[in-house]
Amino acid sequence: NAGVMQNPRHLVRRRGQEARLRCSPMKGHSHVYWYRQLPEEGLKFMVYLQKENIIDESGMPKERFSAEFPKEGPSILRIQQVVRGDSAAYFCASLPGREGMEQYFGPGTRLTVT
Amino acid sequence: QQQVKQSPQSLIVQKGGISIINCAYENTAFDYFPWYQQFPGKGPALLIAIRPDVSEKKEGRFTISFNKSAKQFSLHIMDSQPGDSATYFCAAGTGRRALTFGSGTRLQVQP
Repeated sequence: NAGVMQNPRHLVRRRGQEARLRCSPMKGHSHVYWYRQLPEEGLKFMVYLQKENIIDESGMPKERFSAEFPKEGPSILRIQQVVRGDSAAYFCASLPGREGMEQYFGPGTRLTVT
Repeated sequence: QQQVKQSPQSLIVQKGGISIINCAYENTAFDYFPWYQQFPGKGPALLIAIRPDVSEKKEGRFTISFNKSAKQFSLHIMDSQPGDSATYFCAAGTGRRALTFGSGTRLQVQP
């Protein structure tokens, strides 16, 4: 029973490039959350998605950031025109479609902007 | 009001000792309080969680104590082991909404 999968695990981008981070939730989970973790800090919520729907994007910057969770395939967090301040670890977590509140996290993608 | 305050920032405990990490919250709408363990380079792993209708929950060496009136909850690690050395995060949430995390406690268990 595979856990939450994220790829790539490490991503290096130059300033101004685009970063695409992918998250495949646990089998049977249809809810995905994205969090960002800066070095030596806690996780900060970015966006909460259900299949084909954005439920809550209150933690996501209004510009350059977008997220989707299509009917088929992984959830994608997209960062356009990256800046040095985007360097962080990005984690996704998944939740079952019905009951339960336990969020299970993936291993994260560590984004470095040079 | 959404903040979760965690202390201490770091903690050193001798092997076999008790590790205690505390968290406090303001938002009375929170109804779910998990603790996560994170090793360097890894994602957070769910350790134990509690709902506000109970004051204590124990799973193995890990216990959550919850004080609803004081809006505080804590994690106790009994018989701490070097393998427990990690960063621990408390969190709070409402229903199935996003979690609000504390700032983390770096635990070091000395052999």
